[in-house]
Amino acid sequence: GQNIDQPTEMTATEGAIVQINCTYQTSGFNGLFWYQQHAGEAPTFLSYNVLDGLEEKGRFSSFLSRSKGYSYLLLKELQMKDSASYLCAVRDSNYQLIWGAGTKLIIKP
Amino acid sequence: ETGVTQTPRHLVMGMTNKKSLKCEQHLGHNAMYWYKQSAKKPLELMFVYSLEERVENNSVPSRFSPECPNSSHLFLHLHTLQPEDSALYLCASSQDPTGSGADTQYFGPGTRLTVL
Repeated sequence: GQNIDQPTEMTATEGAIVQINCTYQTSGFNGLFWYQQHAGEAPTFLSYNVLDGLEEKGRFSSFLSRSKGYSYLLLKELQMKDSASYLCAVRDSNYQLIWGAGTKLIIKP
Repeated sequence: ETGVTQTPRHLVMGMTNKKSLKCEQHLGHNAMYWYKQSAKKPLELMFVYSLEERVENNSVPSRFSPECPNSSHLFLHLHTLQPEDSALYLCASSQDPTGSGADTQYFGPGTRLTVL
């Protein structure tokens, strides 16, 4: 079966750095996505990785290792508004998105 | 950001009611999706329409019936639902679901459905 694993919840301090991991086992691979979802709101796109390596976009970076079936989302200089759920999703060989259950990130002052 | 809109935002219905959820995308995309989101569970893909043709139906019970009259509008018709169907129903759209590249999905705010 297809599976995406990510931690259920993480806590970090304002101004710090946090890394949210995602491991996957899917039938085929056509890219990995990270989305942010604030409580009661729509998921919004953060990043896309299809090749190995690090993609940086401002305070957020996403890393991919296809051989290890592994990705992480790195958030720097954390702000209170970063408190949200972070969803990892992989596009499989049928171009269908397989989703993780999300990681709830709590930022403390 | 009002690229994808959904109505109503909240819906409470009894098990014998019939209701419809509406989604509209203003992004010129070719594909639209219905997802179910339950607490602490992964997003569940329910239906996919590409160029107004249904291309995916992940064993969804027949009490959920989708309709896509054109590439901008998507409906989910509900009838004789069960309490376990209570969830957040999200609509999304994307440009080209089977093409190469990112093909990012853009989501609406969702309809919070409660079945009594």
